[in-house]
Amino acid sequence: AQTVTQSQPEMSVQEAETVTLSCTYDTSESDYYLFWYKQPPSRQMILVIRQEAYKQQNATENRFSVNFQKAAKSFSLKISDSQLGDAAMYFCAYRSASNNDMRFGAGTRLTVKP
Amino acid sequence: SQTIHQWPATLVQPVGSPLSLECTVEGTSNPNLYWYRQAAGRGLQLLFYSVGIGQISSEVPQNLSASRPQDRQFILSSKKLLLSDSGFYLCAWSYDRGGAKLFFGSGTQLSVL
Repeated sequence: AQTVTQSQPEMSVQEAETVTLSCTYDTSESDYYLFWYKQPPSRQMILVIRQEAYKQQNATENRFSVNFQKAAKSFSLKISDSQLGDAAMYFCAYRSASNNDMRFGAGTRLTVKP
Repeated sequence: SQTIHQWPATLVQPVGSPLSLECTVEGTSNPNLYWYRQAAGRGLQLLFYSVGIGQISSEVPQNLSASRPQDRQFILSSKKLLLSDSGFYLCAWSYDRGGAKLFFGSGTQLSVL
């Protein structure tokens, strides 16, 4: 079964600075999708960004971008110009193209300091 | 537009009591449906998912069960709750296609005392 590992339980960043959250995954498949979800204190799960494994180009959504290294099975999230509203739990997730389930990492709690 | 409803928002139940959490989706047909559990300050554990009526895949052996009596209804149940069943339960749905993202409900905080 696929596993997703987030090795940073907590991270902290100064407002307006940049932070990178790490994620690695284990799979034998070649076709899959990767996601970053944000869970603010409201506990609502919000999709931040999505990456197709067959695309070499890294996905970008405004201040959020990823560094997808398929050979290394690494999928990090970079948040630029951090804002107070970025403070949340961030979850990395993996979804196979052939299966219907989605696997999540343990999460990284991001604190943004004013 | 599609919406997902999950209730109740909070629930306090004694050990040994039954459980029924309900989730419904509106505005789409034949969605994939999911139940996740999140322990305090931890990640999401996939409990069950369903690709169609009556089709349930279980990920973790436990005293919980799931049912899908209608296309857009997903129910999480237990006959006798354990203390370890406490947690935050999230229902989610996705389109039935590869790589589709999940849309989550607002969750149910279950406390078993």
